[in-house]
Amino acid sequence: GEDVEQSLFLSVREGDSSVINCTYTDSSSTYLYWYKQEPGAGLQLLTYIFSNMDMKQDQRLTVLLNKKDKHLSLRIADTQTGDSAIYFCAESSGSARQLTFGSGTQLTVLP
Amino acid sequence: DSGVTQTPKHLITATGQRVTLRCSPRSGDLSVYWYQQSLDQGLQFLIQYYNGEERAKGNILERFSAQQFPDLHSELNLSSLELGDSALYFCASSEGTANEQFFGPGTRLTVL
Repeated sequence: GEDVEQSLFLSVREGDSSVINCTYTDSSSTYLYWYKQEPGAGLQLLTYIFSNMDMKQDQRLTVLLNKKDKHLSLRIADTQTGDSAIYFCAESSGSARQLTFGSGTQLTVLP
Repeated sequence: DSGVTQTPKHLITATGQRVTLRCSPRSGDLSVYWYQQSLDQGLQFLIQYYNGEERAKGNILERFSAQQFPDLHSELNLSSLELGDSALYFCASSEGTANEQFFGPGTRLTVL
């Protein structure tokens, strides 16, 4: 079945770049997503990439997709303390294009 | 603010009880998805409705059911509650079934 994997923790210094990695298994996924969840809050859609793209840039966010290795990454440039949160990678699959989520990566930004 | 609303924000109840969670999708969105977020299972898809009809089921227990009404709001009914049902329940909506999903703030259910 579908499976999405992420590392659990990442710490970076304020002002550095953060790179959060994700691997997925469903080659039929049409869209791959990154969501952000702050403590006590819902899931905020950050960005997504269509499966026929290699890269997408949106302000400080860059998404890279390697379809051959089924590897997705999210780069956050100039990371700020407000970026501290849990970041979820998700693939859409199935008849309803429901989302299968990774376990989330806890990003901690150190001053 | 995603435009998706969920009520109530918090719900505390006892084992064996039944609760109803409500979701209003973004204006114009026809699809509603329900997800459960728990510490041990992570985020899991439960069920999806499109324009009033059930379209897909995920890891939804038989004690749980949902429906989508003509005004497109949706309700998730959880019955014979167990301690393990304590979780955050999210609703998400999308324009169709191949579009990005926008999540509501969630309902935190605590079963005592």
